[in-house]
Amino acid sequence: SQQGEEDPQALSIQEGENATMNCSYKTSINNLQWYRQNSGRGLVHLILIRSNEREKHSGRLRVTLDTSKKSSSLLITASRAADTASYFCATTNTGNQFYFGTGTSLTVIP
Amino acid sequence: KAGVTQTPRYLIKTRGQQVTLSCSPISGHRSVSWYQQTPGQGLQFLFEYFSETQRNKGNFPGRFSGRQFSNSRSEMNVSTLELGDSALYLCASSLKFQETQYFGPGTRLLVL
Repeated sequence: SQQGEEDPQALSIQEGENATMNCSYKTSINNLQWYRQNSGRGLVHLILIRSNEREKHSGRLRVTLDTSKKSSSLLITASRAADTASYFCATTNTGNQFYFGTGTSLTVIP
Repeated sequence: KAGVTQTPRYLIKTRGQQVTLSCSPISGHRSVSWYQQTPGQGLQFLFEYFSETQRNKGNFPGRFSGRQFSNSRSEMNVSTLELGDSALYLCASSLKFQETQYFGPGTRLLVL
């Protein structure tokens, strides 16, 4: 089974609102990454957070990591229609396995 | 730098046939990974190659194999195709396997 589970599975918001998606994982990790995928295309790397970090920012993106709860969240502020995509978390563990979560489908309504 | 390229972009095969997909990584990247994406199973890790050696492998049957050449280009082969092999196959390259991966556009395989 996959390492990461994301919720919600789908999210629909108005342009300008913030979007928050969550990722939970099962085993100890080395790092956690977030990727975006536009409809059936390749994935684009958004941000990487290491296991010893708690929060990271990149532009309108804010990622938090709570290793005690084995969870991470991705916050997109002031969303735009162009943010419409699927978002995946991916974890790498000490066993050198790379797992993707189930993904959150985000729709930003103009 | 040019991005990761994958060929072909689309492929239609019939059950029982075999297929070879190709991936050219970003220049300087020696790690190449392959993933299968389906609506039912999501994104699943197939394997990772580094300097022509398979270092990591996911839980796929032996029908799925790959190789990497000295110029870091990689190929993935699926033999005796099954209907369930219909998927988007994504290739990604990175400097190190566990670090940021750069994905190609994918090859969409349809098995009839």
